[in-house]
Amino acid sequence: DTGVSQDPRHKITKRGQNVTFRCDPISEHNRLYWYRQTLGQGPEFLTYFQNEAQLEKSRLLSDRFSAERPKGSFSTLEIQRTEQGDSAMYLCASSFEGDIYFGEGSWLTVV
Amino acid sequence: AQSVTQLDSQVPVFEEAPVELRCNYSSSVSVYLFWYVQYPNQGLQLLLKYLSGSTLVESINGFEAEFNKSQTSFHLRKPSVHISDTAEYFCAVSRGGATNKLIFGTGTLLAVQP
Repeated sequence: DTGVSQDPRHKITKRGQNVTFRCDPISEHNRLYWYRQTLGQGPEFLTYFQNEAQLEKSRLLSDRFSAERPKGSFSTLEIQRTEQGDSAMYLCASSFEGDIYFGEGSWLTVV
Repeated sequence: AQSVTQLDSQVPVFEEAPVELRCNYSSSVSVYLFWYVQYPNQGLQLLLKYLSGSTLVESINGFEAEFNKSQTSFHLRKPSVHISDTAEYFCAVSRGGATNKLIFGTGTLLAVQP
């Protein structure tokens, strides 16, 4: 059990560019979640998958955000036309009908 | 919908002193309750949880929390803190019977001083 893995850990991008984050969940975990955390705040739910199906999306997930989990294993979160307000840590988590385990997050800085 | 309130953004305490981090929740349905800890530049780690049964739950490193339904609270306590307990602590709630989405509070920074 290697834990939830996220890549890259840090990303600096210019406003208007697209970025993509990858998450590898714990093996055999069927649920995968994305959260966003800004400085001084708690994590905010973005979306979650059960296997390859995206079952819920938050209103925070604007049209510029898209998440996929094509084979029910790893997931990607893409942000198009980044804005400075997108600067945050993006956390991925996974579970199998039990405890939810978090990765170490991907920091995004939009300059 | 569920919500969580952590009124204390920061709690300074001296080493070996007791501490209580407050958490109140709001929900119209039954809930599961969690405490997560986040060390600097790291992800969240599950500290303890209440799903059902005994209202007092404990972690392996000396923390405990008590579910109080009448006061809608799930305060976290430790009788004697260590420097290494310095971290951000988040209370979270999910709808009872379905741990498919956690709603987090804004967090409390526990700052342990020597």
